Amino acid sequence: GENVEQHPSTLSVQEGDSAVIKCTYSDSASNYFPWYKQELGKGPQLIIDIRSNVGEKKDQRIAVTLNKTAKHFSLHITETQPEDSAVYFCAASILRGRGAQKLVFGQGTRLTINP
Amino acid sequence: NAGVTQTPKFRVLKTGQSMTLLCAQDMNHEYMYWYRQDPGMGLRLIHYSVGEGTTAKGEVPDGYNVSRLKKQNFLLGLESAAPSQTSVYFCASSYTGTGGTIEQFFGPGTRLTVL
Repeated sequence: GENVEQHPSTLSVQEGDSAVIKCTYSDSASNYFPWYKQELGKGPQLIIDIRSNVGEKKDQRIAVTLNKTAKHFSLHITETQPEDSAVYFCAASILRGRGAQKLVFGQGTRLTINP
Repeated sequence: NAGVTQTPKFRVLKTGQSMTLLCAQDMNHEYMYWYRQDPGMGLRLIHYSVGEGTTAKGEVPDGYNVSRLKKQNFLLGLESAAPSQTSVYFCASSYTGTGGTIEQFFGPGTRLTVL
């Protein structure tokens, strides 16, 4: 089955700097890669996603890149702010038109933005 | 619109006791999921449902049972709780969008401790 590895487990950056979180996946059939943000005491929330037919996607300060050949995808946060402090999870799944989306999550990265 | 709600928020059980976690969503979503979150392991899928009256096993189903008698509710049962089931449990729901299901909406979680 699918296996997703996420690095680093913790990341500390100065406010205003960039943060990069990396994930690798094992199943070449995976075609959908979301990123979730989890704030303390809350459930995860989708912040950005990418499909396998796209190499990069941006949404304001957040971007995700995908390298299908290397089975590798990354989350980039620029101009970090204190509210970016949270735990971030990558995930992978296979979308087949209709059907439940069985996400396989990475282990999570605790991002801390230092003022 | 409450989204996804979970009951209870916290629970302490003794080994061998049983309990049911309730998940409710008011978004008319077809698909519902139960995950457990353990430190350093991300979220792992326990069971999921593709519609009222249907359930299926996920990645870590042993020791759990589920039921979906109504579209808006998804119940997770522990028949005989074990310390290894100490975890934070998250429910999620999703819909079928263009090209398949997209965003999963998560509840706030239930923190369960088994002594």
